[in-house]
Amino acid sequence: DQQVKQNSPSLSVQEGRISILNCDYTNSMFDYFLWYKKYPAEGPTFLISISSIKDKNEDGRFTVFLNKSAKHLSLHIVPSQPGDSAVYFCAAQRLTGTASKLTFGTGTRLQVTL
Amino acid sequence: DGGITQSPKYLFRKEGQNVTLSCEQNLNHDAMYWYRQDPGQGLRLIYYSQIVNDFQKGDIAEGYSVSREKKESFPLTVTSAQKNPTAFYLCASSIGWTRGEEAFFGQGTRLTVV
Repeated sequence: DQQVKQNSPSLSVQEGRISILNCDYTNSMFDYFLWYKKYPAEGPTFLISISSIKDKNEDGRFTVFLNKSAKHLSLHIVPSQPGDSAVYFCAAQRLTGTASKLTFGTGTRLQVTL
Repeated sequence: DGGITQSPKYLFRKEGQNVTLSCEQNLNHDAMYWYRQDPGQGLRLIYYSQIVNDFQKGDIAEGYSVSREKKESFPLTVTSAQKNPTAFYLCASSIGWTRGEEAFFGQGTRLTVV
């Protein structure tokens, strides 16, 4: 049962344009959502997060939008740069009494072209 | 420099053998995690530990074992019972209970069964 889904396995965007990566989830009990960036043969690195009580969080070129009614979130990268080319994972976190584990999506490979 | 270290980076194992993957962190984090990444799939949680001497099964714990005798260390043993052990293994740590905290990942270990 895939609770966090990234339906686009890949995305290609021109340098300077906006990249929009999408993520859907099924569990309305998630408390936080996070985005990670991963290069080949390396561990993921944290990008940005958003609480389930917010609808937007911005950090420099990265903005995450959350639509709770649609159970959908998106990551916007503006402007896109060649160094942004990587796999992006969406993750969801539910804070229970003894655990705060992350549930990851399958990832979207972003390629930023010149 | 604080960080999380996995070793070795590449590991080869013969079928039927157990093998242990190392994960050490000097971030003073309470929580540690093991994930597995397969092509076309997201990161799937194997085991996690919120405090020393305690750990919990994740979504795909069968064929794996862990220990958490020290705060800094969370080794993962891939046993011969694991049906398909060839994968990229990622260890992570986080502060523990901070809401929305991100997990810091190691560089990963690629395990190949030959």
